[in-house]
Amino acid sequence: GAGVSQSPSNKVTEKGKDVELRCDPISGHTALYWYRQSLGQGLEFLIYFQGNSAPDKSGLPSDRFSAERTGGSVSTLTIQRTQQEDSAVYLCASSLYRSPYEQYFGPGTRLTVT
Amino acid sequence: RKEVEQDPGPFNVPEGATVAFNCTYSNSASQSFFWYRQDCRKEPKLLMSVYSSGNEDGRFTAQLNRASQYISLLIRDSKLSDSATYLCVASGGGADGLTFGKGTHLIIQP
Repeated sequence: GAGVSQSPSNKVTEKGKDVELRCDPISGHTALYWYRQSLGQGLEFLIYFQGNSAPDKSGLPSDRFSAERTGGSVSTLTIQRTQQEDSAVYLCASSLYRSPYEQYFGPGTRLTVT
Repeated sequence: RKEVEQDPGPFNVPEGATVAFNCTYSNSASQSFFWYRQDCRKEPKLLMSVYSSGNEDGRFTAQLNRASQYISLLIRDSKLSDSATYLCVASGGGADGLTFGKGTHLIIQP
């Protein structure tokens, strides 16, 4: 079946602009996760959704970051007033239920802030 | 936050050799464990789950030692295509439910 998809695959934006990153999880997966990964670094957890709810937003780096999920499916990660340090690959993953089920990752969105 | 620690490597191993690496986890309440593989500039992909009794999938064997809180991955008859970063994952310890290690970089040399 179809895996996790993300769009766009690449995004170049100017410092100060807002960006929206989209994630389509595997159909039927109730849990959805956002991570970011800087070059050569490990995964940094940002936020997860169980259904449409995000019980813990403490992983978001600043109040410029927000995320929502609608209909228990598609999720959007929004970064306002982007900064150069926001440049990274943003990965979305989904799992059948929240941990301990294995997560399946999308191909990521490579964000470059110039 | 509970941690998962891995030797970042790189491990340089000749083709055909056997290689093993461990990771340690600090959350004694962790119940589920996984190994993920991440190729350069690609997303992580599930390699295998780690069961209490240990499990094998072809050339790959995973072991869990709860007493010492470590997980191991053994790769036999290594192939050039095994070159990747291997991420160790334990359940619990964070809002996301899974805690990822930073990965061990493996390079198989011809």
